Amino acid sequence: DQQVKQNSPSLSVQEGRISILNCDYTNSMFDYFLWYKKYPAEGPTFLISISSIKDKNEDGRFTVFLNKSAKHLSLHIVPSQPGDSAVYFCASTDAGNMLTFGGGTRLMVKP
Amino acid sequence: NAGVTQTPKFQVLKTGQSMTLQCAQDMNHEYMSWYRQDPGMGLRLIHYSVGAGITDQGEVPNGYNVSRSTTEDFPLRLLSAAPSQTSVYFCASSYGGRAGETQYFGPGTRLLVL
Repeated sequence: DQQVKQNSPSLSVQEGRISILNCDYTNSMFDYFLWYKKYPAEGPTFLISISSIKDKNEDGRFTVFLNKSAKHLSLHIVPSQPGDSAVYFCASTDAGNMLTFGGGTRLMVKP
Repeated sequence: NAGVTQTPKFQVLKTGQSMTLQCAQDMNHEYMSWYRQDPGMGLRLIHYSVGAGITDQGEVPNGYNVSRSTTEDFPLRLLSAAPSQTSVYFCASSYGGRAGETQYFGPGTRLLVL
């Protein structure tokens, strides 16, 4: 049973608009959450993270929101750019040595 | 710095063959890990290491062995390849010993088992 789920396999957004990528988790022990971005034929790269003691973390155009009661996090990209087109993975950990990834969401930003 | 390097980039194996996927990092990172990526499944942790001489199993360790004799290298061995091991394999490393620290991924090895 997947402990981290990204229920939208793909998302298409117009350039300049907001992209919202969602992630749900089931393990209440998870206390740190990360987003990774992956281009084709490359390894994932770290994008942004959030600790469970916060409900929002912002880095430029990227903001991650955490709703602990709903076990839900989301990544907002504003404004979206064509270069943001990639697969986005959310990942969670319980401060231990293992990272659990979601299945990924493919974002397509249309010019 | 080369970062995290993986060899080979692509490999075709026959069922039952063995091979070693190489991973090296030049950032003096303590934590190294191996993931496999399959469609719709995201990345799943195979094995990880928190330092030289220390390894542990991840979510999907069956059919794979690892060792960590140096800080730099973390090879992944397939003892007897099976079609179910067809996947893209990524090696990653991070400075500290925790999975939540920013991990740096290699470019991946695409493996096809016939």
